[in-house]
Amino acid sequence: DTEVTQTPKHLVMGMTNKKSLKCEQHMGHRAMYWYKQKAKKPPELMFVYSYEKLSINESVPSRFSPECPNSSLLNLHLHALQPEDSALYLCASSQVESSNTEAFFGQGTRLTVV
Amino acid sequence: GENVEQHPSTLSVQEGDSAVIKCTYSDSASNYFPWYKQELGKRPQLIIDIRSNVGEKKDQRIAVTLNKTAKHFSLHITETQPEDSAVYFCAAIFNQGGKLIFGQGTELSVKP
Repeated sequence: DTEVTQTPKHLVMGMTNKKSLKCEQHMGHRAMYWYKQKAKKPPELMFVYSYEKLSINESVPSRFSPECPNSSLLNLHLHALQPEDSALYLCASSQVESSNTEAFFGQGTRLTVV
Repeated sequence: GENVEQHPSTLSVQEGDSAVIKCTYSDSASNYFPWYKQELGKRPQLIIDIRSNVGEKKDQRIAVTLNKTAKHFSLHITETQPEDSAVYFCAAIFNQGGKLIFGQGTELSVKP
């Protein structure tokens, strides 16, 4: 199984809502990532988890809150988002952080904030 | 800093021609340089990668070259086909925490 699975595929939320994005992998990878991608732009790194611990936060606003409950799951909790947060949110995983191995991406959650 | 520059931003070729995309990276990049292909509405997918202990790697119609002295690496696609049309991203792993940072992307269009 070389899949990274993200749910939901699409999400529309209001600025006062609280929602969560979910990501799951069963490849035994110990590094997991959240990226944000705007249209016609490259993925931008948000967070890195290594062995279930947050190792990198790229100065992401606190309205985005990551969580790694176990080695297979990664969540991104959303609260009080702004319309400019609308984007494709990609989860990825790799064997370990800093490794010279492939990062596998999920299909993404397309988020629209209204 | 951690930076990957990619050129060109758009590239249009005739079917059967070759396409070349170039990237440069800043000093703190480590030894791993992947290339991703992203079709419209889909996830980025790895098409080829190179590690700094080699200068060139080839996989059928795709090849990547790496010049560590000059800090640049390139993607070469030969005998292009319409299904090669997509956005291509180069990337590099940076030593400070293992960040995978992407170039700005190249939108490749292969005209039949």
